[in-house]
Amino acid sequence: GDSVTQMEGPVTLSEEAFLTINCTYTATGYPSLFWYVQYPGEGLQLLLKATKADDKGSNKGFEATYRKETTSFHLEKGSVQVSDSAVYFCALSDLNRDDKIIFGKGTRLHILP
Amino acid sequence: SAVISQKPSRDICQRGTSLTIQCQVDSQVTMMFWYRQQPGQSLTLIATANQGSEATYESGFVIDKFPISRPNLTFSTLTVSNMSPEDSSIYLCSAIKNPSGMYVDEQFFGPGTRLTVL
Repeated sequence: GDSVTQMEGPVTLSEEAFLTINCTYTATGYPSLFWYVQYPGEGLQLLLKATKADDKGSNKGFEATYRKETTSFHLEKGSVQVSDSAVYFCALSDLNRDDKIIFGKGTRLHILP
Repeated sequence: SAVISQKPSRDICQRGTSLTIQCQVDSQVTMMFWYRQQPGQSLTLIATANQGSEATYESGFVIDKFPISRPNLTFSTLTVSNMSPEDSSIYLCSAIKNPSGMYVDEQFFGPGTRLTVL
């Protein structure tokens, strides 16, 4: 069945470092891909999304490109801030599966000042 | 967009009792879901709440344990029945607005209900 695999955390970086969180997926259909973020003590919120191959989602300095050939949707940011400390979830949703979203296990990110 | 609220935000319950969690969306949505997020874990889909009919449960979840209602397009409830400490978790309501029917739209989440079972 459909699945999402993302790099395990925690990931600890210094402020202004470059961030990459890897995400790969398996899907029988043609899914939409998402990154959700959960800040400490808060609920999940959508960070960015891409609905077709080669689309690039971007928000708050984060980017991810839908790569169908490598079935990947890696999250990147050029210069992280302490306020980016959170748990990041890669997810997919496939219309052929009743729109259910399948989440990766999440990656906890710690940014040190 | 859609703003989702949940009640209660947290509760501490005794083993063997039941708790009903309410989920209210500020606008009509096409689909509503209930998830469980155990400490340090990802989200696990419990079921899809279907308006006017029985919920669709994922493998490992059954109606007797997690009865769900969805009487209209903006409201749903999840009951955690005959609770045990293993049910301690955060329960999240979510919803999708998919007006075009062509692409999956953003899935919105409630703030969650933190349940502790003693």
